[in-house]
This record gives sequence, structure tokens and C-alpha cells, in this order.
Amino acid sequence: GESVGLHLPTLSVQEGDNSIINCAYSNSASDYFIWYKQESGKGPQFIIDIRSNMDKRQGQRVTVLLNKTVKHLSLQIAATQPGDSAVYFCAEGSGYSTLTFGKGTMLLVSP
Amino acid sequence: KAGVTQTPRYLIKTRGQQVTLSCSPISGHRSVSWYQQTPGQGLQFLFEYFSETQRNKGNFPGRFSGRQFSNSRSEMNVSTLELGDSALYLCASSREGGTIYEQYFGPGTRLTVT
Repeated sequence: GESVGLHLPTLSVQEGDNSIINCAYSNSASDYFIWYKQESGKGPQFIIDIRSNMDKRQGQRVTVLLNKTVKHLSLQIAATQPGDSAVYFCAEGSGYSTLTFGKGTMLLVSP
Repeated sequence: KAGVTQTPRYLIKTRGQQVTLSCSPISGHRSVSWYQQTPGQGLQFLFEYFSETQRNKGNFPGRFSGRQFSNSRSEMNVSTLELGDSALYLCASSREGGTIYEQYFGPGTRLTVT
């Protein structure tokens, strides 16, 4: 099927490397941030989230960093694997507002 | 627990026709949101339904509409299809909507307008 990755910035890494995907968000009032992973032909899948009262949160092989001063969010993936190849989206929101998604970054992992 | 399901998965329509897409949320989830995804524009919010009421609406023309049934299943309709409506249409469900609970996405319906 058609790739959602066309026109996206791409990060290419070798298997075993650490990956860092960055996202600049727009709304200083946002207090909730999420990273999603989307593989070809599938819907976005939740990876990890963080609230604005935190600046770091760790999951399994993933870490999200939040810098509210410069409105910047990053996703770090440790020991990147070929199965991590996908498009990664950040999203922001607050309260019962809808989520606003970033444009996405394609991660390509070479064996 | 079954995930979010969307039907049909693929659809080909002609300009000027109308189309209805269906979304069944995860059991117990009352909020359903719809998104349009294209390579150029990314994920854009269409609307959100909660307890059969449209609670939020994105910036799309009136040709795009939706509804939610008492069992939380949702449909979206696009009338007078245009070539630019070709996209992946995603729905996501959550318990209450917004940012209080995590959103779970379905696999999407790929709509092609010729």
C-alpha cells in the first residue's frame, strides 16, 4: 500500500545503534505528549507518553525527554533493531482537547 | 480484548460519489476520534464523538460528517468525493477522550478516489 513516509525527514541508523528522534511542539499550554509508531499498512501504535510536570520518562528500550523551555520533545530508542523501522509521530494535547500530531519522522534501521 | 476495527479496509470510489466508513471501538471505550492521513499533510483531526455527541471538530468541509451509535460504534461519511479525499482514514478510541486516557488506533481504511 501507499507509504505514509513520503515527504518525511528520515533517520537512518545501523542495528544496535541508539536512535534519537526529535519533535518541536507548538502549543505552550499542552500538558500531555505522546510518541506513536506507525508501521506500513497499520495504524499508529502507542509507545510512551509524558506529562508536562516531568522532563524524562523511561520505558522498555525507549526514553522520552521533554524540554518545555524550548518546546522540544525527543524519543530515544536504545539498541535499535530492524523491527523498529517505522514512522514515528509525536502528539500533544491537554485536558479534553484533541491531540495534535507532528508530521512524523521515518526511522530506517539497517541490519 | 479485541482492538479497534475498521471496515472496509480498502475502498475505491469515483469523484462525486459518497462513502461511509465504519469504526468499532474497543469494548468499554466511549470516545471515537477520526483522522485523515495523507503523505503531504500527515495526520489531521476530523472529529471526535463521545456518548453519541460530536464533542470536537477539525477544520474540514461540511462534506465530512460522522455519527456515533449507542453502542459507541461510529461511522463517518464523505459526500461528493474529490480526488483530494484519497487518504488513509483512521479512527481511534479511548475511554473518555482527550488526554485523560490513551487512544488506540485501528488499522485504517484506505480510500482511493478516481
